Amino acid sequence: EAGVTQSPTHLIKTRGQQATLRCSPISGHTSVYWYQQALGLGLQFLLWYDEGEERNRGNFPPRFSGRQFPNYSSELNVNALELEDSALYLCASSLAGADTQYFGPGTRLTVL
Amino acid sequence: AQSVTQLDSQVPVFEEAPVELRCNYSSSVSVYLFWYVQYPNQGLQLLLKYLSGSTLVKGINGFEAEFNKSQTSFHLRKPSVHISDTAEYFCAVIQGSGNTGKLIFGQGTTLQVKP
Repeated sequence: EAGVTQSPTHLIKTRGQQATLRCSPISGHTSVYWYQQALGLGLQFLLWYDEGEERNRGNFPPRFSGRQFPNYSSELNVNALELEDSALYLCASSLAGADTQYFGPGTRLTVL
Repeated sequence: AQSVTQLDSQVPVFEEAPVELRCNYSSSVSVYLFWYVQYPNQGLQLLLKYLSGSTLVKGINGFEAEFNKSQTSFHLRKPSVHISDTAEYFCAVIQGSGNTGKLIFGQGTTLQVKP
């Protein structure tokens, strides 16, 4: 069974640009979660999508947004990139209402 | 508010020695507890979890953890480590009821296994 997949593996952008990160959940999982792992800040919860709806949001500015598609895959969009947005962005998925999240390999975003 | 404290940022240990990685949490509500491992340049892999039932849980790669409600701890142990166990380990909690979807992580413990 395939795990959570993320693309691209690496993404390099400049300040002010927009970044789009993609995630495909494990087959049968309807919930998708996004986390940011920035140097020195640890793992921070960003967003939770379930059945196409945003269910919860972490303490991040509105320029971090996303969506979930009918096939349960998800996009994370980061607008007006800042240097401090450089981080590993991890996507996780779970069964609906489940407690256990399974993570993908991440997308490393570098903002120059 | 929930929080997780991993008491050691780095734990050096020799190969085949036992190891314990410590984790304490604070929460006013019931929580589920997890340990994840992150190898260099990779995502997080679930090692084990405690949801309910027996307080001693066994995970992959020979790891186990014990939930201690009175001490609000969930320490991870392995009786004999291998070089391949060198990685960063994260303890995490999630609210046990009224699912928020939000995993709260500790700051991580780097396990360095020396030959």
